[in-house]
Amino acid sequence: DAGVTQSPTHLIKTRGQQVTLRCSPKSGHDTVSWYQQALGQGPQFIFQYYEEEERQRGNFPDRFSGHQFPNYSSELNVNALLLGDSALYLCASSLDSGPQETQYFGPGTRLLVL
Amino acid sequence: AQSVTQLGSHVSVSEGALVLLRCNYSSSVPPYLFWYVQYPNQGLQLLLKYTSAATLVKGINGFEAEFKKSETSFHLTKPSAHMSDAAEYFCAVSDSGNTGKLIFGQGTTLQVKP
Repeated sequence: DAGVTQSPTHLIKTRGQQVTLRCSPKSGHDTVSWYQQALGQGPQFIFQYYEEEERQRGNFPDRFSGHQFPNYSSELNVNALLLGDSALYLCASSLDSGPQETQYFGPGTRLLVL
Repeated sequence: AQSVTQLGSHVSVSEGALVLLRCNYSSSVPPYLFWYVQYPNQGLQLLLKYTSAATLVKGINGFEAEFKKSETSFHLTKPSAHMSDAAEYFCAVSDSGNTGKLIFGQGTTLQVKP
């Protein structure tokens, strides 16, 4: 059973560019959450998708947007990249949303903005 | 609002010694608590979670954590450290809303000396 997968593993962009990160959830999971982990910090919640809708959003600007497809896979898009967007972006999936559900994390996409 | 504080950004123990990683939480409702481990250049792996079934929670790789409501703590322990335990450890509390977004502490780096 494949776990959460993310692509690409690494990415280098320049300021002002746009980037799209992809995530495939664990088999059977319908909820996908995205987190940003800056170097030396704990992950910060960006947003969560369930049934192709954004259910909750963290404290991130509108430059960060996402999408969930009918097969539950998800994309994270970041426009007008800033140097401060350099981070590890983690995708997590769960069987359902709710505070008791375990979120399973992918290996992450490391984004470097120059 | 929920929050998590991990006391000690770096902990160093000798191989075979007791591991104790501290986590205190703040929550206005009964919390769901998690410990995750992150090995270098990898995503997060769940060690254990507390969902109010039992105050002493056993996880993978010999780790366990005890929920103490009076102390608002959920410290992680392992009786005997192994070299392979060297990693970054994150404590997280689940948001009480319907999405269960995770709120992470800053993390504790565990070093195991031979």
